[in-house]
Amino acid sequence: EDQVTQSPEALRLQEGESSSLNCSYTVSGLRGLFWYRQDPGKGPEFLFTLYSAGEEKEKERLKATLTKKESFLHITAPKPEDSATYLCAVQGGGTYKYIFGTGTRLKVLA
Amino acid sequence: DVKVTQSSRYLVKRTGEKVFLECVQDMDHENMFWYRQDPGLGLRLIYFSYDVKMKEKGDIPEGYSVSREKKERFSLILESASTNQTSMYLCASSNGVWEQYFGPGTRLTVT
Repeated sequence: EDQVTQSPEALRLQEGESSSLNCSYTVSGLRGLFWYRQDPGKGPEFLFTLYSAGEEKEKERLKATLTKKESFLHITAPKPEDSATYLCAVQGGGTYKYIFGTGTRLKVLA
Repeated sequence: DVKVTQSSRYLVKRTGEKVFLECVQDMDHENMFWYRQDPGLGLRLIYFSYDVKMKEKGDIPEGYSVSREKKERFSLILESASTNQTSMYLCASSNGVWEQYFGPGTRLTVT
């Protein structure tokens, strides 16, 4: 069964304290792994798509990496405005469905 | 700029009422999705559609139906609302294996 597990559930960082969020997945024939940011009361906002192991993508203070079993979202020198829930999702072969993890709630303190 | 809009941000309905949630996308996407999001349970797929008039059940279709008469519009229908359908409802669209784009969500309360 396709599955996505994110850890930790919650993370508190001081401003400038770099860290990583983990997304472990099992899927038949990965077609894509997706990272989203979600602010309270709003819909998820797309950040990155990764398609194959070894791929990396960057955007401002965020960098996403992918292996055959997991993905990491690295946050370098975070700021309070990076506080949000970060969601990971995968799409497997032969399906239109996306499987989402339950997210990591990130709080960055000034 | 891509855009997915949902008909209401907040909605309060009574038990037994028929509820319509509408979603419109302006990106000419083939696929459209309805999710509900509850604390601790994450995003759960209710229904999705990969073409006009086509639909497939997701993981939790019970108590819901959908309609897609035009490519840009995907409606979620709660035939007889119940309190356990109180939730945040999110619509999304995508093309093929590409990323999904989400609407702002509708927070539905059923009393």
